[in-house]
Amino acid sequence: GDSVTQMEGPVTLSEEAFLTINCTYTATGYPSLFWYVQYPGEGLQLLLKATKADDKGSNKGFEATYRKETTSFHLEKGSVQVSDSAVYFCALHKKLVFGKGTKLTVNP
Amino acid sequence: EPEVTQTPSHQVTQMGQEVILRCVPISNHLYFYWYRQILGQKVEFLVSFYNNEISEKSEIFDDQFSVERPDGSNFTLKIRSTKLEDSAMYFCASSVGQGDTQYFGPGTRLTVL
Repeated sequence: GDSVTQMEGPVTLSEEAFLTINCTYTATGYPSLFWYVQYPGEGLQLLLKATKADDKGSNKGFEATYRKETTSFHLEKGSVQVSDSAVYFCALHKKLVFGKGTKLTVNP
Repeated sequence: EPEVTQTPSHQVTQMGQEVILRCVPISNHLYFYWYRQILGQKVEFLVSFYNNEISEKSEIFDDQFSVERPDGSNFTLKIRSTKLEDSAMYFCASSVGQGDTQYFGPGTRLTVL
């Protein structure tokens, strides 16, 4: 069945550091791919998405490129802020299949 | 901006009791979903609903669970006889079409004592 594997973390960075959270998937066909973010005490918010191979999703300085050849959708940000501290979930498909989440803490 | 809403934000119940979690999806959306997140674990798909019937459900969604769209705006999840292991955050989501972006509500935290 469909599955998502993501770097579990936790990840702790200093402000302005470069962020990468790895995500790979297994699926039949050509799923849509998503990154969701969960801030402390809040629900899930869509961060970005890509619907086909080589698409790049971007939002709030975060980017992820849909790589079909490596079945990956790694999340990157060039310079993280304290306000980016949250749990990040990679997900795919029409009934969302989530990875386990990666908790990011950014220290000032 | 339209958003998915859920009530209550926190529900505490005794084991064996029935609970109904309520959701109001975004008004022009046609697909509705329930997910749950046990504390510290990943978000898990429970069920999807379209055209007044279940379109897909997971193994978690057993006979104790049911969903309903009782009117034009609400979408409910009922757990008939709650168990301790049902304690979790329950998220409702909706989308315009299948495969489109799903928008999540803020969640209902269910605590079963």
